Amino acid sequence: KNEVEQSPQNLTAQEGEFITINCSYSVGISALHWLQQHPGGGIVSLFMLSSGKKKHGRLIATINIQEKHSSLHITASHPRDSAVYICAVPPFGNEKLTFGTGTRLTIIP
Amino acid sequence: DAGITQSPRYKITETGRQVTLMCHQTWSHSYMFWYRQDLGHGLRLIYYSAAADITDKGEVPDGYVVSRSKTENFPLTLESATRSQTSVYFCASRFAPGLYNEQFFGPGTRLTVL
Repeated sequence: KNEVEQSPQNLTAQEGEFITINCSYSVGISALHWLQQHPGGGIVSLFMLSSGKKKHGRLIATINIQEKHSSLHITASHPRDSAVYICAVPPFGNEKLTFGTGTRLTIIP
Repeated sequence: DAGITQSPRYKITETGRQVTLMCHQTWSHSYMFWYRQDLGHGLRLIYYSAAADITDKGEVPDGYVVSRSKTENFPLTLESATRSQTSVYFCASRFAPGLYNEQFFGPGTRLTVL
């Protein structure tokens, strides 16, 4: 069983819809990363969070450490949000990240 | 150019050949990582380095060799390429230890082994 599970694996939505991507993990962590991989392949870091909620523009990330669960929300989705969103965690005492397999998001105009 | 770069961006080679993928970063980051990305798998760590001359194995190190003689460079060598090593390879770097430091990724190298 993968230490990091994401759902859904694929998500297609209409422009303007509210999007939720979920990440569950099985190991103890102190922080969680959300990454975005563009259609061209480049990977950028969106958020690192250890508790509560973080917001950047139309993106919101939440985490519940006790339930070992995080969500990434996109409000007023736009076709340029189409990408693969990846959740990653560093297990306690470990500098290395363990990655989920990603959620492929497609926003249709 | 500032940042983290990889070369080549695309490479086609044959089974049994030696291939070296280059990674260069201009930030003097201590930590550098090599990942491979395959369909159905998340990014998987091949090797990482905490500083010059310090390297360690990741999740899938077999068939790969790394070195880090200078802080800014972290080449990955496939000593005798196999078809199973066809993948997209990403290099990444991070400034320091600490779980809250952002990890920066290179643009990736798409390697095809025929």
